[in-house]
Amino acid sequence: AQSVTQLDSQVPVFEEAPVELRCNYSSSVSVYLFWYVQYPNQGLQLLLKYLSGSTLVKGINGFEAEFNKSQTSFHLRKPSVHISDTAEYFCASSPGASKIIFGSGTRLSIRP
Amino acid sequence: EAQVTQNPRYLITVTGKKLTVTCSQNMNHEYMSWYRQDPGLGLRQIYYSMNVEVTDKGDVPEGYKVSRKEKRNFPLILESPSPNQTSLYFCASSPGATGLYFGPGTRLLVL
Repeated sequence: AQSVTQLDSQVPVFEEAPVELRCNYSSSVSVYLFWYVQYPNQGLQLLLKYLSGSTLVKGINGFEAEFNKSQTSFHLRKPSVHISDTAEYFCASSPGASKIIFGSGTRLSIRP
Repeated sequence: EAQVTQNPRYLITVTGKKLTVTCSQNMNHEYMSWYRQDPGLGLRQIYYSMNVEVTDKGDVPEGYKVSRKEKRNFPLILESPSPNQTSLYFCASSPGATGLYFGPGTRLLVL
């Protein structure tokens, strides 16, 4: 069965430090991969997506993610975080349009 | 403005009292879906619809119903709500396998 694992439920970092949020997926078929961000008291917003092609995907707000098929990972990175990046981040995978599986989320907290 | 709207945003009800949460999108998307979000569990899919009159169960459909009579609307119905359905609900739509557009969420408390 398809699944998405976010290894860290919380990640605290200092402002302007780099951050990596980890995501691993399991699937026997090719998948599409996504990262969503949820700011406090808001809905989810698409941050970036991997559908095919280049394994390095750039998204909004300076985030990027790298698709690694051999390690079945899709880790999210940002070289320098800001207070405004405080949010919960969800990794998701989909074999097609109908089924989308979300990870349990990683809460990113930024310390000044 | 392209958006997904949900109503109500907040709802407190009692066990057994039928309720409907509406969802509407103005992007002409064929795909629509409902999720519930619970702490530590991420988002779990309740029902989805690939097009008008085409709906299917997600991972946690028990206690919920949906209908898709029009392309833009996808209401979520709780015929007899129970306290374990207290949650944050999100409606989403998509033009295909390229990412979801989410509504603002509906926070439901069942007493």
